[in-house]
This record gives sequence, structure tokens and C-alpha cells, in this order.
Amino acid sequence: GQNIDQPTEMTATEGAIVQINCTYQTSGFNGLFWYQQHAGEAPTFLSYNVLDGLEEKGRFSSFLSRSKGYSYLLLKELQMKDSASYLCAVSMNNNAGNMLTFGGGTRLMVKP
Amino acid sequence: AAGVIQSPRHLIKEKRETATLKCYPIPRHDTVYWYQQGPGQDPQFLISFYEKMQSDKGSIPDRFSAQQFSDYHSELNMSSLELGDSALYFCASEYGRVSGEQYFGPGTRLTVT
Repeated sequence: GQNIDQPTEMTATEGAIVQINCTYQTSGFNGLFWYQQHAGEAPTFLSYNVLDGLEEKGRFSSFLSRSKGYSYLLLKELQMKDSASYLCAVSMNNNAGNMLTFGGGTRLMVKP
Repeated sequence: AAGVIQSPRHLIKEKRETATLKCYPIPRHDTVYWYQQGPGQDPQFLISFYEKMQSDKGSIPDRFSAQQFSDYHSELNMSSLELGDSALYFCASEYGRVSGEQYFGPGTRLTVT
């Protein structure tokens, strides 16, 4: 089975930097995904880490340490529109593909 | 760029009725995943297809079935609907099954009354 933990809520200020952590325990690991989801909308793909290290995409970066079962999503220069839920999801080591198991999601509130 | 298309976007059904949800993946994507997201919950994996064959099965009730057609679109068939089936149903598509980039459709909001 898989156990994925991330904080339930976070608050940050516009223009600041925020780091959302995710820890996981899994019987097989095929990659870690981060998605952004606004209420009532579809999750939007942000990043995918399969190897250790940092992946940077504009204002968003994601880090993975497989030995520690740990990832974080870093959001820089926060904007009000970044207020959303951020979902950490793990893909099992499964030849059938990238079936995702999601963590509880972190609801980020960006304040002026 | 073309995205994943789901229809209908909203659906209201009564208990014990049936419903069919459709998903049209991004062109050239050959893998489709179905997820169910209840209010305030995470998306839960239901079932997936690769090249028109079922590839994995999650927490999909026996009352539900799905398939992927020759044009790669997929349909989720839901029978004997229950109140607890009310949720957002997302379809996600991917190219090649292990590319690592799974794109979600806008979802179908199913309400069972």
C-alpha cells in the first residue's frame, strides 16, 4: 500500500516563497507528481520527478529524495492566483502505467 | 493545444438509474485513466486503459464498467446509481503509458438524487 502525507493548509503572502512538503511510503515507486487544483476544476499537471534532485519550471520547482521518501514543491513570487490546492501523487512501480495515488492535498491561501 | 474532453460536464440522475460518462483523450494519447473525486476528497483511481485494453483497476465498484474504443476514447458506465456516487469524475490521458505527464479533463459532475 501507499501512505502519502502533506500539510492540510498553508498560508503565504503575495510575492513570497512557499515550500509544500510531501512524504510517502510505498511498496513500489515509479515517480512523484505535483498537481494544482482550483476548487471544482480539474487537477493541472505541474511536475513529475522520477530521479532524485530538483526540477525547475519557471516559478515552480519540485524536489525529490527517493531514499528519504520526500518531495517538496517550491513556489516563488507568489501570486494571488496561486491560491489553490496542491496535490502530491505517487505512481506505483507497475508495468500497467502511472496509476496515481494522491495525498490529502495542501490548500494554499495567498494573502495580499 | 487540444485538451482532454469529457462529456457531459454535468449530469443529474436518480437512484438506481444508469449513467454513461465519455472521455476523449488528447490526440495521440493512448492511455486513459478514470478518477473519482468526492466533495473535499482526493481523486481516487478507478480504472485505466492502454491501447484499448484494461491495464489497471483501482477502487471501481462492480456496478461500474468501462472500456476504451478503437479511436481511444473511453466510456465509464455506471449502473444502479447510489447517492454516494455523487462526485466529480475525471478522465486523464497520457501518451505511451509511462511518459509521466498525465493531463486531466475538466471532469463530469454527477449528482445522484
